[in-house]
Amino acid sequence: KAGVTQTPRYLIKTRGQQVTLSCSPISGHRSVSWYQQTPGQGLQFLFEYFSETQRNKGNFPGRFSGRQFSNSRSEMNVSTLELGDSALYLCASSSGTSGGAHDEQFFGPGTRLTVL
Amino acid sequence: KNQVEQSPQSLIILEGKNCTLQCNYTVSPFSNLRWYKQDTGRGPVSLTIMTFSENTKSNGRYTATLDADTKQSSLHITASQLSDSASYICVVSLKAAGNKLTFGGGTRVLVKP
Repeated sequence: KAGVTQTPRYLIKTRGQQVTLSCSPISGHRSVSWYQQTPGQGLQFLFEYFSETQRNKGNFPGRFSGRQFSNSRSEMNVSTLELGDSALYLCASSSGTSGGAHDEQFFGPGTRLTVL
Repeated sequence: KNQVEQSPQSLIILEGKNCTLQCNYTVSPFSNLRWYKQDTGRGPVSLTIMTFSENTKSNGRYTATLDADTKQSSLHITASQLSDSASYICVVSLKAAGNKLTFGGGTRVLVKP
């Protein structure tokens, strides 16, 4: 079974631009979660999508948004980029059937975003 | 204050030795507590998942313990190998927040030959 894939793997943008990151979950998984990882803050939860609906949300500003398609693939968008948005963005997929309570999450390799 | 605190922040051990990583959490009630291993430049990989009613869970040379009364968990690595060099992250799934995951800051382990 193919793992979680994320594209692109690396991205360089400038302040004020916007960016879209993509995540393809493991086949059959319906839940996709997004995380931001920085050296200072560690891993932080952004949001979770299940069956095309946002099921849970972290404490990030509205510049961070996402969506999920009918094939469970998900995209994350960050508008008006700031220097502090430089981070590793990870997505994780799970079956989602237990409401997230005991689902094992499988992480992708991440997209390294650098904002100049 | 972070709701999931890990110690130590970093650790150097010799190949073949054992080590124990600590995780203290304040969030409750939680659905489960997880330990992940993250190699440099890669996404985290799940090692163990424990519900509040479980005291211990093993995955090969990795053994996690949980004391729900003291809100402490530990991850024990037996007979360490060079490939164990990674960051180990303790994660609590918070039931009151729709099972949102709250992450500890991680412990960076370096195994030297």
